[in-house]
Amino acid sequence: DAGVIQSPRHEVTEMGQEVTLRCKPISGHDYLFWYRQTMMRGLELLIYFNNNVPIDDSGMPEDRFSAKMPNASFSTLKIQPSEPRDSAVYFCASSPLLRNTEAFFGQGTRLTVV
Amino acid sequence: DAKTTQPPSMDCAEGRAANLPCNHSTISGNEYVYWYRQIHSQGPQYIIHGLKNNETNEMASLIITEDRKSSTLILPHATLRDTAVYYCIYNNAGNMLTFGGGTRLMVKP
Repeated sequence: DAGVIQSPRHEVTEMGQEVTLRCKPISGHDYLFWYRQTMMRGLELLIYFNNNVPIDDSGMPEDRFSAKMPNASFSTLKIQPSEPRDSAVYFCASSPLLRNTEAFFGQGTRLTVV
Repeated sequence: DAKTTQPPSMDCAEGRAANLPCNHSTISGNEYVYWYRQIHSQGPQYIIHGLKNNETNEMASLIITEDRKSSTLILPHATLRDTAVYYCIYNNAGNMLTFGGGTRLMVKP
């Protein structure tokens, strides 16, 4: 397996524009996680899914952020409208179980909102 | 949020063992200790985890004290490629991970 695949690797957009980040988890993994990393706040969990269903979105910063998982092999994180403070590296991770197992992280998407 | 205490940075000579400490004095009985690392510009990488017993895998060893209030990650023969930020995390929420500041390990030739 190629691991968790995220696209794009880099995204530069203007404030106010819609941004969509994409993730393909490892096949067979039932759990998918979206994290955000900034210098100020470090790595934060935004939301996670189990079998394509959102379970905990308490980390999503505001209503401008939304995440979907239409099927087991694809998830999106959308920001609409984007703001400069959304600039960060966004990571997607997947795991076969929730506990007592490792999470596999993608290479991340570096988002810059100007 | 579960909080751990790690030194912000450490140096290690190439080929020597790197011992990374972590304090987790408020850990409860059913919370696992996880270690991840993040090499520059990459996603976090799982290293090892444990509950009570010491654990070893191909990457590292994890030593957990009997009272479970602290642990040490041991990289037996550090290489330059082990230079990274190492995160110690404990929770019972599995991969809903809460990352702290970590330890920046610099392996030097």
